[in-house]
Amino acid sequence: EIVLTQSPGTLSLSPGERATLSCRASQSLSSTYLAWYQQRPGQAPRLLIYGASSRATGIPDRFSGSGSGTDFTLTISRLEPEDFAVYFCQQYGSSRWTFGQGTKVEIK
Amino acid sequence: QVHLVQSGAEVKKPGASVKVSCKASGYNFITYGISWVRQAPGQGLEWMGWISGYNGKTNYAQNLQGRVTMTTDTSTSAVYMELRSLRSDDTAVYYCARVDGSEGAFDIWGQGTMVTVSS
Repeated sequence: EIVLTQSPGTLSLSPGERATLSCRASQSLSSTYLAWYQQRPGQAPRLLIYGASSRATGIPDRFSGSGSGTDFTLTISRLEPEDFAVYFCQQYGSSRWTFGQGTKVEIK
Repeated sequence: QVHLVQSGAEVKKPGASVKVSCKASGYNFITYGISWVRQAPGQGLEWMGWISGYNGKTNYAQNLQGRVTMTTDTSTSAVYMELRSLRSDDTAVYYCARVDGSEGAFDIWGQGTMVTVSS
């Protein structure tokens, strides 16, 4: 089973700053099957990025994804108040899925 | 508009079973699969399994094999997840999510169903 490790666990930033979140896989995986989700308190997760770098419908362009192999990154170029939330990466392979443990982006 | 609407909160005793429903609307049900994901209080996301909307084929997480069953009812565009022999550590919010066929991402999520296991 592929294990995803996200870092840092918590990111303390101010509105307007840039956020860089990391997701590292225990073995190389296809970029096609790497996704990122945002979860606000009390809400269901929301798809942000699929295929490592494609934005989902309705996602602002301040969100971007990159990476390949075992190292993937989610970047939020300028944090808006509504972006303070928890972010999860996810991988899919052989009809099975795993999630990273999450990174919380909190207001500094 | 695409929606997944789940059944309401449940409280169960240890050893009991729970069955959560997820009703889809706004798209062709048989062209997508559905995954179930759960989240214990204050914890991360745990994938539980997947079911095809086309033929009901399933794939379950290894740690839940033998305790979980997922089924579909194509006549009502509904998916069901039954979890048996409940334990206190099954207390969680349970989500259904539509699976994008090409990239495997979960593009639409239900609102979540809180299942509490307590004596």
